[in-house]
Amino acid sequence: QQQVKQSPQSLIVQKGGIPIINCAYENTAFDYFPWYQQFPGKGPALLIAIRPDVSEKKEGRFTISFNKSAKQFSLHIMDSQPGDSATYFCAVGDNFNKFYFGSGTKLNVKP
Amino acid sequence: EAGVVQSPRYKIIEKKQPVAFWCNPISGHNTLYWYLQNLGQGPELLIRYENEEAVDDSQLPKDRFSAERLKGVDSTLKIQPAELGDSAVYLCASSSILGGEQFFGPGTRLTVL
Repeated sequence: QQQVKQSPQSLIVQKGGIPIINCAYENTAFDYFPWYQQFPGKGPALLIAIRPDVSEKKEGRFTISFNKSAKQFSLHIMDSQPGDSATYFCAVGDNFNKFYFGSGTKLNVKP
Repeated sequence: EAGVVQSPRYKIIEKKQPVAFWCNPISGHNTLYWYLQNLGQGPELLIRYENEEAVDDSQLPKDRFSAERLKGVDSTLKIQPAELGDSAVYLCASSSILGGEQFFGPGTRLTVL
């Protein structure tokens, strides 16, 4: 059973655009919601994460929006750059630090 | 600070052969994870260690997969015998505390012919 559903599967934006990636979950026991960025041939790297006690978190050009009642969260990348082209994974984590990853979104930022 | 180290980076074997992957976590990290990542998919947890103890191996196919973490530092993941469907990237991650950020290694890409 898939614990978190991620969409879209792929995304193409122009440089400077604001790609948005969405994730939805069902289990309210999850209390940690990270986003990971993965480049080809590399392991995933933590980009930004949020706990359910806040509705938004910003770090640089990356923002997580969290809707606890809807059990959804999303990643926004402001002023996207070609260097942001990568695969992005959302994840949900429980209090045992067990993570369930989404299926990934391949982002292509065109110059 | 050195990151998570994995070796080999690539491995090609024929089906039914054994294969082993090695992981050295970040110094001081007590928690170690092995994940499987199929092409175009997110990582899926195989096993999690707290020091030497495997605290979650519910997703590890125990008929052919085994893992160990002697002395609570390095870890080895083994497959014997390998099947065609085992072709994937095997990722190792570590974290310093329960609930902390997981740091991933570059992975081992396994191809089973």
